[in-house]
Amino acid sequence: NAGVTQTPKFRVLKTGQSMTLLCAQDMNHEYMYWYRQDPGMGLRLIHYSVGEGTTAKGEVPDGYNVSRLKKQNFLLGLESAAPSQTSVYFCASSPRISSYEQYFGPGTRLTVT
Amino acid sequence: DQQVKQNSPSLSVQEGRISILNCDYTNSMFDYFLWYKKYPAEGPTFLISISSIKDKNEDGRFTVFLNKSAKHLSLHIVPSQPGDSAVYFCAAISGTYKYIFGTGTRLKVLA
Repeated sequence: NAGVTQTPKFRVLKTGQSMTLLCAQDMNHEYMYWYRQDPGMGLRLIHYSVGEGTTAKGEVPDGYNVSRLKKQNFLLGLESAAPSQTSVYFCASSPRISSYEQYFGPGTRLTVT
Repeated sequence: DQQVKQNSPSLSVQEGRISILNCDYTNSMFDYFLWYKKYPAEGPTFLISISSIKDKNEDGRFTVFLNKSAKHLSLHIVPSQPGDSAVYFCAAISGTYKYIFGTGTRLKVLA
């Protein structure tokens, strides 16, 4: 049982390049989330999904797109990376039952130059 | 507009003593609160939670208190241990599964 895994762990992009971050969970959780963490800002929700095939915007969705084609995977895409997207990205999942507890992945450190 | 605030960026406590981490919120519609602990280069891990219908929840050395009238919650760790040294985030949700996190407090427990 690996929990929540994220790929890649580190990435450096040039401005304008695109990339996809992959999140996978093996706990059969319904809900999945993408956050970014910046110094002094805490974790901010980018997008979330309440089930396979559904996605919704969080606090800071601009410049990102997501897809949830399979229940266990949640992809975060950057179509045209900007230096303001330099951050640490965390994926999380939670079960449908009302525990509210989220399980986080180890994070992806992204630098956009 | 920061709806969940942790006004102390850092806290140092002697091993064996009590650690008190504080969190304030502005939205009275929040109905569930959580505390997470984060070590460097790892994702946050869930620590303890409390529903807005309660004012206290205990789990071993960890107790969370909720004061709804003051829109304030606190996490007490007794006794503090060096392994508790980490960044602690409080978070609030309002029934839509949109979690709002505070900015975190770095706790250092001195041996």
